[in-house]
Amino acid sequence: QSVLTQPPSASGTPGQRVTISCSGSSSNIGSNTVNWYQQLPGTAPKLLIYRNNHRPSGVPDRFSGSKSGTSASLAISGLQSEDEADYYCAAWDDSLNGPVFGGGTKLTVL
Amino acid sequence: EVQLVESGGGLVKPGGSLRLSCAASGFIFSSYSMNWVRQAPGKGLEWVSSISSSSSYIYYTDAVKGRFTISRDNAKNSLYLQMNSLRAEDTAVYYCARDQVAAAGTSERWGQGTLVTVSS
Repeated sequence: QSVLTQPPSASGTPGQRVTISCSGSSSNIGSNTVNWYQQLPGTAPKLLIYRNNHRPSGVPDRFSGSKSGTSASLAISGLQSEDEADYYCAAWDDSLNGPVFGGGTKLTVL
Repeated sequence: EVQLVESGGGLVKPGGSLRLSCAASGFIFSSYSMNWVRQAPGKGLEWVSSISSSSSYIYYTDAVKGRFTISRDNAKNSLYLQMNSLRAEDTAVYYCARDQVAAAGTSERWGQGTLVTVSS
């Protein structure tokens, strides 16, 4: 069982806006920033959002992140077929002295 | 170009040992904290261990404490994970990942992974 809680699946049609939630606690999301990773099928994870709402160079601005209290969310607007992937939230956990991950959300583009 | 290339994975019997390596290139390896993150087949990501740039700070997830040892050789631009007393539940793809500067736990670059299978 993962420390951070995400819905196992999400879906949308091309062009739609989709959000993925991530719930944690005071020792992780509540006191630290949140990162999001994208894992395309058969590939290594890729950093998608860091420090709650910052995009690394090369990540389209269709991807955005937000955080409030002990929860965070990833929004994908203008959904495209190539966005079909697994998405993981993560945050440093002060109790564990390491990053913790959500269980992942499989995004399907219908 | 930043590259992280893992090696050393394979099939090992329960109770056995394996040493993973990660060869880094394209950046100043000695300036970055590094991590090992694993992913069991069909499952999510799990952080395993972290080591600071000068090896001063080392952390492990509880599941591997006392069995795994992370280390690095900055002169050889290499990261290692010595895995002893392996169990079936250690079966996973092991990724080497580089942290952002001054952002512990934010893995901005990942290797392609190496598969470790623990089975009799």
